[in-house]
Amino acid sequence: GAGVSQSPRYKVAKRGQDVALRCDPISGHVSLFWYQQALGQGPEFLTYFQNEAQLDKSGLPSDRFFAERPEGSVSTLKIQRTQQEDSAVYLCASSSSRGLFFGPGTRLTVL
Amino acid sequence: AQSVTQLDSHVSVSEGTPVLLRCNYSSSYSPSLFWYVQHPNKGLQLLLKYTSAATLVKGINGFEAEFKKSETSFHLTKPSAHMSDAAEYFCVVSGDYGGATNKLIFGTGTLLAVQP
Repeated sequence: GAGVSQSPRYKVAKRGQDVALRCDPISGHVSLFWYQQALGQGPEFLTYFQNEAQLDKSGLPSDRFFAERPEGSVSTLKIQRTQQEDSAVYLCASSSSRGLFFGPGTRLTVL
Repeated sequence: AQSVTQLDSHVSVSEGTPVLLRCNYSSSYSPSLFWYVQHPNKGLQLLLKYTSAATLVKGINGFEAEFKKSETSFHLTKPSAHMSDAAEYFCVVSGDYGGATNKLIFGTGTLLAVQP
């Protein structure tokens, strides 16, 4: 496709469940970012990949959050033992010299 | 460390009147600044970006922003609002790495309402 895609678009999880969120960046984009957007807030940086290398994971809120990009294209954000405070929209973005392009996000609701 | 402050959480204008969304930034060096727009259930879209070239930056959909170092401001303006401009707007500064493609720090957003 022409843009960044994310799946699923909506996810409802029971507290304690593990979830996996997928991001398909724009083809050829080296850099990939994950952001978390809580209700009524601006997006906050979680982690950054350059190809398959995770160069910055300083924004991950706890060790329950894990991201990977094993082949330098598709990325997965995994959240283990979800908590209610994990409820948010998770945004993926990929970049080129033209700028940063965001996907539509995955809205995670933890009950 | 870099940060941005959006001074208004909500702005309401009438269609056809000017729009002003205010943003102040804090940066220890010359920053890269952006405005993004987020329509409901849609992805963030880049409106414009400032990267130390011209201080007046023109973006898409008739928006522009002026970088004022003396005031540490980067306010977003549009001469005439359209109903389709109703959305949330984020002022953004680039993070530790600098440059247009690196970590972004978002403001808390300004929700723009356009009345008919």
